[in-house]
Amino acid sequence: DVKVTQSSRYLVKRTGEKVFLECVQDMDHENMFWYRQDPGLGLRLIYFSYDVKMKEKGDIPEGYSVSREKKERFSLILESASTNQTSMYLCASSFISYGYTFGSGTRLTVV
Amino acid sequence: AQSVAQPEDQVNVAEGNPLTVKCTYSVSGNPYLFWYVQYPNRGLQFLLKYITGDNLVKGSYGFEAEFNKSQTSFHLKKPSALVSDSALYFCAVRDMRNDYKLSFGAGTTVTVRA
Repeated sequence: DVKVTQSSRYLVKRTGEKVFLECVQDMDHENMFWYRQDPGLGLRLIYFSYDVKMKEKGDIPEGYSVSREKKERFSLILESASTNQTSMYLCASSFISYGYTFGSGTRLTVV
Repeated sequence: AQSVAQPEDQVNVAEGNPLTVKCTYSVSGNPYLFWYVQYPNRGLQFLLKYITGDNLVKGSYGFEAEFNKSQTSFHLKKPSALVSDSALYFCAVRDMRNDYKLSFGAGTTVTVRA
């Protein structure tokens, strides 16, 4: 089975900190994604990557950046964390259009 | 742009009764449609997908979904719900411009009471 691993289940960070969320997949998928999930809003796409060093903005990229130096790893960076970035963050990977495999999520609280 | 809508925020059913979670879609062209389930404090798990072929798609955990082109719907169904089916369910549609990108509905919380 494909595994998508997010390094932290829960994180608490202070306003203004630089935050790194890490995601690793083990099935050689080209495509990787970062979503945030908020009640009543469903999943909103932050960034995605379709190849190493390639990235595209999703629907809500403001305040975020990403890095994909290796195929298996896709990092989400909060340059200066703010309280409105408190959320559940979900990483996913996919092969072509066969649907996604999700990680378990990282619940980030910014205080 | 393609999108999906889940008209019900919550669905409540008794154990043993049929369960239906509704989804309607809006796309140009033939849709690729998906259902995912999320248990508390977990990531999303794939349930089933419709690409082409039979309008009735069978998936994991006894779930199935019916694709209806005339009504632009893709409702998720289970003939006999279990308490363990209580979770958050998401419908999704493939982006026709970027075929590796999915757009998700807002989600429907299902509660199955014993």
